[in-house]
Amino acid sequence: KAGVTQTPRYLIKTRGQQVTLSCSPISGHRSVSWYQQTPGQGLQFLFEYFSETQRNKGNFPGRFSGRQFSNSRSEMNVSTLELGDSALYLCASSLSQDLPLHFGNGTRLTVT
Amino acid sequence: GIQVEQSPPDLILQEGANSTLRCNFSDSVNNLQWFHQNPWGQLINLFYIPSGTKQNGRLSATTVATERYSLLYISSSQTTDSGVYFCAVRETDSWGKLQFGAGTQVVVTP
Repeated sequence: KAGVTQTPRYLIKTRGQQVTLSCSPISGHRSVSWYQQTPGQGLQFLFEYFSETQRNKGNFPGRFSGRQFSNSRSEMNVSTLELGDSALYLCASSLSQDLPLHFGNGTRLTVT
Repeated sequence: GIQVEQSPPDLILQEGANSTLRCNFSDSVNNLQWFHQNPWGQLINLFYIPSGTKQNGRLSATTVATERYSLLYISSSQTTDSGVYFCAVRETDSWGKLQFGAGTQVVVTP
């Protein structure tokens, strides 16, 4: 069974631009969540989707948004990029509340 | 929210040594995971261990939920064990919201 797939693996953007990251969960997993990892803040929760509905949101500005499609694939969007948005963005999926989260390989975003 | 503290923050081991990593959490949780992050950033599941003890090869983990801590044991360490080890707990009533600790950076020297 394929794992969680994130695309692209690397991105370089300029301040002020916007970016869209994609995540395909493990087949059958309906919960998808996103995390940001930076050296200063560690791993921080961005948001969680289940059956196309956002269930939880972390403490991030409105420039960070996401959505989930009917096939459980998810995208996250960051608008008006800032230098501080440079980070590793990780996506995870889960089959149920009582089972572990599985993470993708991440998208490394660099904002110049 | 739940606070998760990991210790030690850094650990340098000689190949073959044993070590224990600790994770304390501030509130009751119904699940806990240990991850290993490799140099390429990939988070690899080690254990899903809300309570009790599990073993997988040279690694084992114990969670004492009533006392709010978990331990990860690495025995006969190898250079491939190097990386960052994270403990994470899941928020109640959430499927995908994990609160991570700051991690333990492990370096195993030959």
